[in-house]
Amino acid sequence: KQEVTQIPAALSVPEGENLVLNCSFTDSAIYNLQWFRQDPGKGLTSLLLIQSSQREQTSGRLNASLDKSSGRSTLYIAASQPGDSATYLCAVNPPTSGTYKYIFGTGTRLKVLA
Amino acid sequence: NAGVTQTPKFQVLKTGQSMTLQCAQDMNHEYMSWYRQDPGMGLRLIHYSVGAGITDQGEVPNGYNVSRSTTEDFPLRLLSAAPSQTSVYFCASRKGSRSSSYNEQFFGPGTRLTVL
Repeated sequence: KQEVTQIPAALSVPEGENLVLNCSFTDSAIYNLQWFRQDPGKGLTSLLLIQSSQREQTSGRLNASLDKSSGRSTLYIAASQPGDSATYLCAVNPPTSGTYKYIFGTGTRLKVLA
Repeated sequence: NAGVTQTPKFQVLKTGQSMTLQCAQDMNHEYMSWYRQDPGMGLRLIHYSVGAGITDQGEVPNGYNVSRSTTEDFPLRLLSAAPSQTSVYFCASRKGSRSSSYNEQFFGPGTRLTVL
């Protein structure tokens, strides 16, 4: 059974610092992996999606990498800002269960201090 | 585009009551789904649909019903509410696998449900 883990559960960093959020999954056979941001009391906003054939995706200050063989993905945030404070979730799409059943991690709650 | 919309935003029910959570999307997405989010559990898939008239169960379907009569709407029905169904419910949609675009999921703002 696919399981997704995000460590640490919470992280506080000073403004301007570069940081890495981790996501690990137990079954390397995935269709794709998606990173989301969730603000308190809000829905999820998609940040980056990496297809199984890709190694990384970039959007602005965000860079997500994928290493299927080791079951890991990282989300790199450059020059962090207080506005980056949110919970970051990763989700994997296992191909064996069809193309829709995403499995979510429990998230990393990030606080960027001004 | 309004994207994915959900109503109501908040709801309080008594045990045994029934209700329907509404979800609509205006992006002509084929795939729609319902998740619940509980502290320490992450998001768990309740039901999903790959097109009008087609639905299937997710990870935690018990106590919930869905139907998909149109591409736009995907309501979630609680048949007899229980305190264990206290949660935040999210609806999501994305293009189907036949789309040439990568299959990014879009989420609604959520419905916070409390069952007393």
